[in-house]
Amino acid sequence: GENVEQHPSTLSVQEGDSAVIKCTYSDSASNYFPWYKQELGKGPQLIIDIRSNVGEKKDQRIAVTLNKTAKHFSLHITETQPEDSAVYFCAADQTGANNLFFGTGTRLTVIP
Amino acid sequence: GAVVSQHPSWVICKSGTSVKIECRSLDFQATTMFWYRQFPKQSLMLMATSNEGSKATYEQGVEKDKFLINHASLTLSTLTVTSAHPEDSSFYICSATRTGRKDYEQYFGPGTRLTVT
Repeated sequence: GENVEQHPSTLSVQEGDSAVIKCTYSDSASNYFPWYKQELGKGPQLIIDIRSNVGEKKDQRIAVTLNKTAKHFSLHITETQPEDSAVYFCAADQTGANNLFFGTGTRLTVIP
Repeated sequence: GAVVSQHPSWVICKSGTSVKIECRSLDFQATTMFWYRQFPKQSLMLMATSNEGSKATYEQGVEKDKFLINHASLTLSTLTVTSAHPEDSSFYICSATRTGRKDYEQYFGPGTRLTVT
């Protein structure tokens, strides 16, 4: 089955700096890679996703890159703000398989 | 669009009792719904996948007789924790995928915190 690893487990950055979270996956058949933000006591919220037919996707301050050869993908948050503080999860899935495999999460703290 | 609700948001019950948690897709039809469990500071663990009108598929190690899942309509799935024990205390989260969409994005509910005393 799929194994998704995520690093780092905790990350603290100064407000305005960039944050990068990295994930690796094991199953080459995976082709859908979403990122979720989870605030305390709430369910995960999809913030961006990428499919295997593209290498990069950007949405305002958030971007995701994918390297299928190396089986890793990364989340980049620029100009971080205190409200970006949360736990971020990466995941991998095979479109049509309906089976999301989650990473272990990264607790991001943005220091004002 | 794509809003998923859960009820209740939190519940406290006594050991030995049963608790039912509802998951609803509010503005779309969901052929498939998922139930996850999350322990403090840990990742989400898939418990089961339910398809409307059929029996749920449980992940290895999840007791189907303890965690009863019913997906009776395209907008509602329920998880019943039977004869709950303190070790069942956890954060339970459901998600749903839109009927007819091929991208299989999962939309998550806000979660239900269960505490068994």
